[in-house]
Amino acid sequence: EPEVTQTPSHQVTQMGQEVILRCVPISNHLYFYWYRQILGQKVEFLVSFYNNEISEKSEIFDDQFSVERPDGSNFTLKIRSTKLEDSAMYFCASIPGPDTQYFGPGTRLTVL
Amino acid sequence: QQQVKQSPQSLIVQKGGISIINCAYENTAFDYFPWYQQFPGKGPALLIAIRPDVSEKKEGRFTISFNKSAKQFSLHIMDSQPGDSATYFCAARYGNNRLAFGKGNQVVVIP
Repeated sequence: EPEVTQTPSHQVTQMGQEVILRCVPISNHLYFYWYRQILGQKVEFLVSFYNNEISEKSEIFDDQFSVERPDGSNFTLKIRSTKLEDSAMYFCASIPGPDTQYFGPGTRLTVL
Repeated sequence: QQQVKQSPQSLIVQKGGISIINCAYENTAFDYFPWYQQFPGKGPALLIAIRPDVSEKKEGRFTISFNKSAKQFSLHIMDSQPGDSATYFCAARYGNNRLAFGKGNQVVVIP
């Protein structure tokens, strides 16, 4: 069964550094999402992406965040200057159309 | 208000028992209500989902009960098994397929 994949599984970075989290959505999916989950808390929406542009973003998704679909398969989340509070699990999700979102296994980001 | 409130926070159930998790919402614009199951270190996986024009949906041992007038929905896990031990999130869809998640409920099934 097709799956959403994410790399790396764990990323450790120093505060102020840039990180890029990578996702490969399911191949025929058209809508892409990033969510985050701070340890022990609920999953929170960050951004949705369709037709090579952002559809919606939450208040969490400030100027430090950006998303890109650089080629036909990858979907990336960039954090320009990481802060301690960016430490979380970051989940990518995708859907072929208005349907249930399929989540990847996540990238654990640790900011020191 | 794009919030979904989930209760209880944690639940311990004997093997073979029934696990019940409740969620409540305010926003009547929510149009789809999935439940996700999450194991440690993994992403949320869709378990079962319901639309607001249906009052109940059953898939195997999992049942969603939906009360539109009360703005509440619940997940029932029948004949709970140790392999069901996980965190369960209710969610609600709005906007451009955005999901609002509850805080999660940790279910522990004791053999």
